[in-house]
Amino acid sequence: DQQVKQNSPSLSVQEGRISILNCDYTNSMFDYFLWYKKYPAEGPTFLISISSIKDKNEDGRFTVFLNKSAKHLSLHIVPSQPGDSAVYFCAASPAGGTSYGKLTFGQGTILTVHP
Amino acid sequence: DTEVTQTPKHLVMGMTNKKSLKCEQHMGHRAMYWYKQKAKKPPELMFVYSYEKLSINESVPSRFSPECPNSSLLNLHLHALQPEDSALYLCASSQGQGNNSPLHFGNGTRLTVT
Repeated sequence: DQQVKQNSPSLSVQEGRISILNCDYTNSMFDYFLWYKKYPAEGPTFLISISSIKDKNEDGRFTVFLNKSAKHLSLHIVPSQPGDSAVYFCAASPAGGTSYGKLTFGQGTILTVHP
Repeated sequence: DTEVTQTPKHLVMGMTNKKSLKCEQHMGHRAMYWYKQKAKKPPELMFVYSYEKLSINESVPSRFSPECPNSSLLNLHLHALQPEDSALYLCASSQGQGNNSPLHFGNGTRLTVT
């Protein structure tokens, strides 16, 4: 049973445009959400996170939106750059802190940004 | 550059071998993790250490044995593995218990069991 779902396996965007990556979850106990970027042959790199008490968090070109009622979050990248091309994973953790270890990942979305 | 260092980067071992994966962090984090990632799949949690004590074992077979010698180091001892255990093994760390803080991952050890 996939508790975190990224329904789009891939996304292709033109450089300078907005990239929107989507993620849905089913477990209402999740209250902390993260986005990771992964290049081949490297570990996941933390990008941005959001707590369930917020609906938006922004860091430079990256903005994460959380819609708790819809159990949906999205990552916006503006403007997109070719170096953003990577696999993006959405992840979620229940209340109690990520050190409890229950960080559940989505299947990932391959983002390709064309020059 | 990642602040979580994993060695070796690549490892090939036979099914009768004993080997160890090593992980080190110097960020003062008190929680450390082992994840396993198969090709085209998301990372899957194996073990969590919190303040150097094993707090979560996700029903991992006993041929995988974790060890946390101190707050900066995490090992994964491997013995009698199967070919299906071939995967990328990721170590991660985060701040101590009770915080919503992100996990920081190393670049992993690519393990091939022959």
